[in-house]
Amino acid sequence: GENVEQHPSTLSVQEGDSAVIKCTYSDSASNYFPWYKQELGKRPQLIIDIRSNVGEKKDQRIAVTLNKTAKHFSLHITETQPEDSAVYFCAAKTAPGRLYFGRGTQLTVWP
Amino acid sequence: GAVVSQHPSRVICKSGTSVKIECRSLDFQATTMFWYRQFPKKSLMLMATSNEGSKATYEQGVEKDKFLINHASLTLSTLTVTSAHPEDSSFYICSAISGSAQETQYFGPGTRLLVL
Repeated sequence: GENVEQHPSTLSVQEGDSAVIKCTYSDSASNYFPWYKQELGKRPQLIIDIRSNVGEKKDQRIAVTLNKTAKHFSLHITETQPEDSAVYFCAAKTAPGRLYFGRGTQLTVWP
Repeated sequence: GAVVSQHPSRVICKSGTSVKIECRSLDFQATTMFWYRQFPKKSLMLMATSNEGSKATYEQGVEKDKFLINHASLTLSTLTVTSAHPEDSSFYICSAISGSAQETQYFGPGTRLLVL
């Protein structure tokens, strides 16, 4: 099956700085790449996604880039705020529709 | 829209008993639902894909006789952990695909299972 690697596992930034989380995937058939934010004990919430026919997508302070050739995609959060602190998961969807998740990144934004 | 609920939110049971967890799509019809397992501070591990009216597709290493999945209607899938043991204690989360989007998965709030 698909193998998704995510780095770093933990990330601490000062409020206002940018945060970048990177993921790689193994299955070239994967065509959909969502990012989820999960707060402790709660459900994952979709924050942004990108499809394989697009290289970049932005939504306010959040952006995602995709390099299909290199099989990697990244999440960029600008002007971070303390409420951005959470665990972020990247995922890749293979052709049959299954989502495979990275191990997660614990983001801490210090005020 | 696209709300998914799960019941119960937490359950404690004795070793050897079976536990049923329900996953419902409240405002849309979900032809496909997914079941995940999450250990503390770990990622979501896909267990199985549940299709309405057909048998579930299990991921490699997941015991289908241990984790019974039934998707009887377009709004309900159930996961039954049979003969539960302490190692089955975990956070179980379901998700459903909204028919129109077909890609975006909406997650339920999860069920925390503790087997004593």
